[in-house]
Amino acid sequence: DAKTTQPTSMDCAEGRAANLPCNHSTISGNEYVYWYRQIHSQGPQYIIHGLKNNETNEMASLIITEDRKSSTLILPHATLRDTAVYYCIVRAEYGNKLVFGAGTILRVKS
Amino acid sequence: DTEVTQTPKHLVMGMTNKKSLKCEQHMGHRAMYWYKQKAKKPPELMFVYSYEKLSINESVPSRFSPECPNSSLLNLHLHALQPEDSALYLCASSQLLGLSGNTIYFGEGSWLTVV
Repeated sequence: DAKTTQPTSMDCAEGRAANLPCNHSTISGNEYVYWYRQIHSQGPQYIIHGLKNNETNEMASLIITEDRKSSTLILPHATLRDTAVYYCIVRAEYGNKLVFGAGTILRVKS
Repeated sequence: DTEVTQTPKHLVMGMTNKKSLKCEQHMGHRAMYWYKQKAKKPPELMFVYSYEKLSINESVPSRFSPECPNSSLLNLHLHALQPEDSALYLCASSQLLGLSGNTIYFGEGSWLTVV
């Protein structure tokens, strides 16, 4: 599975959009981009995933560049409860593993 | 809300003890996973089961023994652990392996302390 690069940490003001970038320059055509988050002392929570097209659900939006070498997770109106470690993971279409990198610590501040 | 249930939430055991961690899901998933997470580190895959059969063992020491008695249950048997095995143990499940865009769902984890 392709490797991802994320900033170590980011801050966001409460109520503003949080934009979390992820680079995956070696991604293959059949690999999906997954986003999970882990709030302190809890299990990882699935957020969203995509292959080529932008995706949106009740939690977030995922914007994937046309060359698929990078993506951005957008939390439209961040709240204090969104403070967590956010993991961007690239996973093969038929992959049976989810390999976590270091992730981005997002701190939402009032 | 997670539909993967793990018990116990906290476990303290001595190095000579035998204990088990349990995981249950009722989503009809046929793949189940064990991950280990040390403090301030990302989760690391330990085992993957598919159709109740072990399909991946990430070179985990034999003092960790997984078991999948049926499609809904996954156990992790622990014996002769070391203090460095203290960690958060995460169970997860997903639909059949190999499905396109197959999402893995995690439980809340079991905190293990080895004394």
